Amino acid sequence: GENVEQHPSTLSVQEGDSAVIKCTYSDSASNYFPWYKQELGKRPQLIIDIRSNVGEKKDQRIAVTLNKTAKHFSLHITETQPEDSAVYFCAASIGNQFYFGTGTSLTVIP
Amino acid sequence: GAGVSQSPRYKVAKRGQDVALRCDPISGHVSLFWYQQALGQGPEFLTYFQNEAQLDKSGLPSDRFFAERPEGSVSTLKIQRTQQEDSAVYLCASSSGTANTGELFFGEGSRLTVL
Repeated sequence: GENVEQHPSTLSVQEGDSAVIKCTYSDSASNYFPWYKQELGKRPQLIIDIRSNVGEKKDQRIAVTLNKTAKHFSLHITETQPEDSAVYFCAASIGNQFYFGTGTSLTVIP
Repeated sequence: GAGVSQSPRYKVAKRGQDVALRCDPISGHVSLFWYQQALGQGPEFLTYFQNEAQLDKSGLPSDRFFAERPEGSVSTLKIQRTQQEDSAVYLCASSSGTANTGELFFGEGSRLTVL
């Protein structure tokens, strides 16, 4: 089955700096890559997603890039703010299966 | 309600007890998923329903785990003879589409602690 690896597991940045989280996947059939933000004790919420026919997608301060050849995708958050502090999960999806990474705990230091 | 609702939010069970966790998906959502999330880990797939049909139960860790969605809306995840390793947050998610055509909306989870 699909194997998703996510790095780093923890990340601290100064407010205003950029944060980058990287994921790799193993199954070239994966065709949908969502990113979820989970605040402490809360539900995961979709923040951005990308499909395999697109290389990059941007939504305000958040962007995702996908390299199908290398089988990796990344989340980029620019101009980070304290409210960006949370755990971020990447996922790779084939059909009805979603395979999640182990999460990155992001702390934005004011 | 506007979102996916799960109950109970917290459940403490003694080893060997049976538990039932409920999920109310967003009205009209075709797809429903159950995930298990251990502390500090990502959600791990348990099972998937399309309407009332359980199309994939490959992630259920043992035959002590059973899920149903008899009328294609509310779903129940039942764990029989609970063990300590069953302690986790159980997340339910629903989607308006089938397969990965629609966004997954998660509930807040049911935190199960087995003593």
